Amino acid sequence: AQKITQTQPGMFVQEKEAVTLDCTYDTSDPSYGLFWYKQPSSGEMIFLIYQGSYDQQNATEGRYSLNFQKARKSANLVISASQLGDSAMYFCAMREGLTGGGNKLTFGTGTQLKVEL
Amino acid sequence: NAGVTQTPKFQVLKTGQSMTLQCAQDMNHNSMYWYRQDPGMGLRLIYYSASEGTTDKGEVPNGYNVSRLNKREFSLRLESAAPSQTSVYFCASSDRGGNGYTFGSGTRLTVV
Repeated sequence: AQKITQTQPGMFVQEKEAVTLDCTYDTSDPSYGLFWYKQPSSGEMIFLIYQGSYDQQNATEGRYSLNFQKARKSANLVISASQLGDSAMYFCAMREGLTGGGNKLTFGTGTQLKVEL
Repeated sequence: NAGVTQTPKFQVLKTGQSMTLQCAQDMNHNSMYWYRQDPGMGLRLIYYSASEGTTDKGEVPNGYNVSRLNKREFSLRLESAAPSQTSVYFCASSDRGGNGYTFGSGTRLTVV
């Protein structure tokens, strides 16, 4: 079974609008972390936001917020006020287990976001 | 700038040739990783090193070997390259807390 599922291969959004990128995960470990990364056409992996499984509040970082619904095992990324520079591939990833080193990230297949004028 | 440095950035190999991808981090991270990225498949873990002196297989280890040379350096070796190993390779490191991962800029490898 896929541990991280991103069901939207591609998304379009108008500039200045908000967009939600979906991510569902599968784990039986009570301790885990969820990450979102942005990969522009230049290829680098840019960290956006992190949510721990025990965090009580949804994570926010500037225009990025993570809609964490633990019971549904979803961790959707919300980008507010989209900008042309947000056009990129977005990956959801999960780290299972207690922190302490050596905890691998498992990635979804990504969502290609295109911001239009 | 502090971070993860990968070399080379681009490489073309002939089938059967060998090469080593180098990775070094200067953030004093304990754990290091090698991923490959193929179209439509996200990033998949090849090998990782939880700490200096240890290495473990990831999801797709066949055809690769690794060496954790010291705390800073983690290399990936292709002994006999195959066209199926054409990919973009990323090295990453993480802190002990496991909440901060830093990626290198990637190596684009083509095997012909």
